[in-house]
Amino acid sequence: GAVVSQHPSRVICKSGTSVKIECRSLDFQATTMFWYRQFPKKSLMLMATSNEGSKATYEQGVEKDKFLINHASLTLSTLTVTSAHPEDSSFYICSARDRRGGGTGELFFGEGSRLTVL
Amino acid sequence: GNSVTQMEGPVTLSEEAFLTINCTYTATGYPSLFWYVQYPGEGLQLLLKATKADDKGSNKGFEATYRKETTSFHLEKGSVQVSDSAVYFCALSPNSGNTPLVFGKGTRLSVIA
Repeated sequence: GAVVSQHPSRVICKSGTSVKIECRSLDFQATTMFWYRQFPKKSLMLMATSNEGSKATYEQGVEKDKFLINHASLTLSTLTVTSAHPEDSSFYICSARDRRGGGTGELFFGEGSRLTVL
Repeated sequence: GNSVTQMEGPVTLSEEAFLTINCTYTATGYPSLFWYVQYPGEGLQLLLKATKADDKGSNKGFEATYRKETTSFHLEKGSVQVSDSAVYFCALSPNSGNTPLVFGKGTRLSVIA
């Protein structure tokens, strides 16, 4: 199946710093990628839809200035948590759908990135 | 709108027990249905899927049948193992446009030896 790689898998940073998380589709092109956030023992919360070459679409309640999303190419999307604070500590997961379409709509997920802000 | 409801966990079973995790959905049109599994500290992996009514998805001993009449996609396994301990998510894809999946809240399964 298609592979989505996410990096870094774990990151610890000081409060006030910015952290960038990369999401790459390794063997397919993705016009659209989706970023999710998962709190401990909770379900996935969709944060934003990342569209190649255009601005991301954010879900209600998600601060677009804090969570910057860039989808610079058909295989790479980045999420930057700006001026991170302890409440931003979470598990962030990206996902992508093969742009060729004709599929069943399944998403391929990255391994997730655990962010801890001290 | 589209939504997925799955049984609340946690579910604790002894090894070799029979597993059922219920999942029902509401959707307009004809969605595709999925079960994803998340092992501790990892991302989500597709476990199985079904794209139309009466389809049965299966993988690693798990099965789920797309039941349009009951709008259900229950996950079953005849004999669980300790290694099946994980969180299981039921999800649907509306199959209209490039839209994200709609997830259930997840069910945590713990299998004890």
